[in-house]
Amino acid sequence: EVQLAESGGGLVQPGRSLKLSCAASGFTFSDYYMAWVRQAPTKGLEWVASISYDGGSTYYRDSVKGRFTISRDNAKSSLYLQMDSLRSEDTATYYCTTGLLLWGQGVMVTVSS
Amino acid sequence: DIVLTQAPLSVSVTPGESASISCRSSKSLLSSKGITSLYWYLQRPGKSPQLLIYQMSNLASGVPDRFSSSGSETDFTLKISKVETEDVGVYYCGHRLEYPLTFGSGTKLEIK
Repeated sequence: EVQLAESGGGLVQPGRSLKLSCAASGFTFSDYYMAWVRQAPTKGLEWVASISYDGGSTYYRDSVKGRFTISRDNAKSSLYLQMDSLRSEDTATYYCTTGLLLWGQGVMVTVSS
Repeated sequence: DIVLTQAPLSVSVTPGESASISCRSSKSLLSSKGITSLYWYLQRPGKSPQLLIYQMSNLASGVPDRFSSSGSETDFTLKISKVETEDVGVYYCGHRLEYPLTFGSGTKLEIK
């Protein structure tokens, strides 16, 4: 079965760090650009970051540049999002997606003191 | 940034009738490869988004053919024929033409 499964979310204080993971299965992971998309409570979809097939190119929305780092391990079929200097406005459900085609179930990140 | 404007914000439909949702782009979504980079998603309550349509008019695998999409380079319409109760949720358009990727603000479909 084709699947994406996120993990690593939780409650974190402002200014702290958190690392999200996404495990892919059922398809050739290295064939796809990957992305993280988030959704704040009761809000719409917001693209966060993307990474190329081999990880050589990365792209970020302005509000997370310098704070978030997207990476991948094709040998492990896994995608990551290292989130540093977290802010309250980063509170959202984070979705792992294969170039906006297949989506995971999402993982909640709450930034609050 | 490309702005995608959806209308209406919400729509209420009687089962068996049709519904249409509009998505207007601030820039042409036609790529240099001749592909129109417009995607439609349905997010059912409490669930993650599900791809319905890719590259403007192609039905994603497993999606009923009650769903269809058409458009030009900047104006797009998702049509749902014979609406069923399982179609309830929020519909989003999105693009992959360039970074940042952006989405419309969503259209909520309810059943009368």
